[in-house]
Amino acid sequence: QSVLTQPPSVSAAPGQKVTISCSGSSSNLGNNYVSWYQQVPGSAPKLLIYDNDQRPSGIPDRFSGSKSGTSATLGITGLRTGDEGDYFCGTWDSGLSVGVFGGGTKLTVL
Amino acid sequence: QVQLVESGGGVVQPGRSLRLSCEASGFTISSYTIHWVRRAPGKGLEWVALISFDGSIKYYADSVRGRFTISRDNSKNTLYLQMTSLRAEDTAVHYCARGTTSGAYDYWGRGTLVTVSS
Repeated sequence: QSVLTQPPSVSAAPGQKVTISCSGSSSNLGNNYVSWYQQVPGSAPKLLIYDNDQRPSGIPDRFSGSKSGTSATLGITGLRTGDEGDYFCGTWDSGLSVGVFGGGTKLTVL
Repeated sequence: QVQLVESGGGVVQPGRSLRLSCEASGFTISSYTIHWVRRAPGKGLEWVALISFDGSIKYYADSVRGRFTISRDNSKNTLYLQMTSLRAEDTAVHYCARGTTSGAYDYWGRGTLVTVSS
């Protein structure tokens, strides 16, 4: 059971938009920044979004992030087959003094 | 460019020990918090431990506290994860990741696989 809650899977057609939610509590998302990661099979996780809504250099603006209270959302527009993979939200839990991740969401581009 | 390379994984029997290494290049680890994160087969990412830039602060996940020890040698630009009393549930790809000041992980190694099996 993960501390952060994500839907197990989402799917959409190429070119469409999808959102992935991440829900937590006051000790984690409520008081700390959220980050998002993409992991495709056989590869290391890659940082997509940090500080709730910031994109690292090289990440296209098709990827966006937002946070409100104890919930966060990752948005992906203009879906491509290459976007398929697992997506994870992460943050720090100040009450537990541990890093925490969501259970992951598998994105399928139909 | 920034690179993290893990090593030391392998197949080990339950109850035995293993030491993972994470060699950094392209940046000086003495300025950064470094984390270990793992992913077990069929599971999601699990945060394991962190060590502050100077080694003075260490935190561990409940699942490994008392069994794993994180350390660093800034002179070698290398991090370590000493794993003892290994269990089947420790079977996973173990990654080291560089931490940002706001709690994100901006660079990751490719990981090293630890398999605990008799």
